[in-house]
Amino acid sequence: DIQMTQSPSSLSASVGDRVTITCRASQGISNYLAWYQQKPGKVPKLLIYAASTLQSGVPSRFSGSGSGTDFTLTISSLQPEDVATYYCQKYNSVPFTFGPGTKVDIK
Amino acid sequence: QLQLQESGPGLVKPSETLSLTCTVSGGSISSSDYCWAWIRQPPGKGLEWIGSIYYSGSTYYSTSLRSRVTISVDTSKNQFSLKLTSVTAADTAVYYCARHPNRVTTGWGFVDYWGQGTLVTVSS
Repeated sequence: DIQMTQSPSSLSASVGDRVTITCRASQGISNYLAWYQQKPGKVPKLLIYAASTLQSGVPSRFSGSGSGTDFTLTISSLQPEDVATYYCQKYNSVPFTFGPGTKVDIK
Repeated sequence: QLQLQESGPGLVKPSETLSLTCTVSGGSISSSDYCWAWIRQPPGKGLEWIGSIYYSGSTYYSTSLRSRVTISVDTSKNQFSLKLTSVTAADTAVYYCARHPNRVTTGWGFVDYWGQGTLVTVSS
């Protein structure tokens, strides 16, 4: 099975900062990569699919890029409501593995 | 507005079978545009995909759970179900049912709708 890793595992940044989270697949997955946001005590929310396509209703400060094995999620200007854990998920084939998550909070 | 609602026992004894049902409202489970999934999250930990099912009954399972998992669909009730046998404390988690869009252009496997989740505790 393809393994997914994320870095960093946690980060603390100031409001307005540009934040970048990296997701890496152990084998190439083309662009079959999604990103989710899970706020504390809440259900995960789809942010991005196909590596870079923004889900409807998601603020434009979120963006995704990458293909193959290396992917990034960028928050262009961190807001207080962005405090959450972010997960990547590969879906080129089963199993649809999630990354371990990156916890983002405000400095 | 699509809604997914998990139901089932919140407490299961070790070695027994965990059974959950997801009721879909606001949309048809028989649509070829979607597949349906179970995903779990142990307390304080990350997300784990358990398996998925198409309305026709085709199933796809996690490698690590395959020997213990069965997912089935009842199109007449607009429901799909999860059975996990021989549970241990390691199976304690919030269990989510979810929907995969099935798109030719972008593939399927990501989740656009989630249920609220139900906590299942394995304990005697």
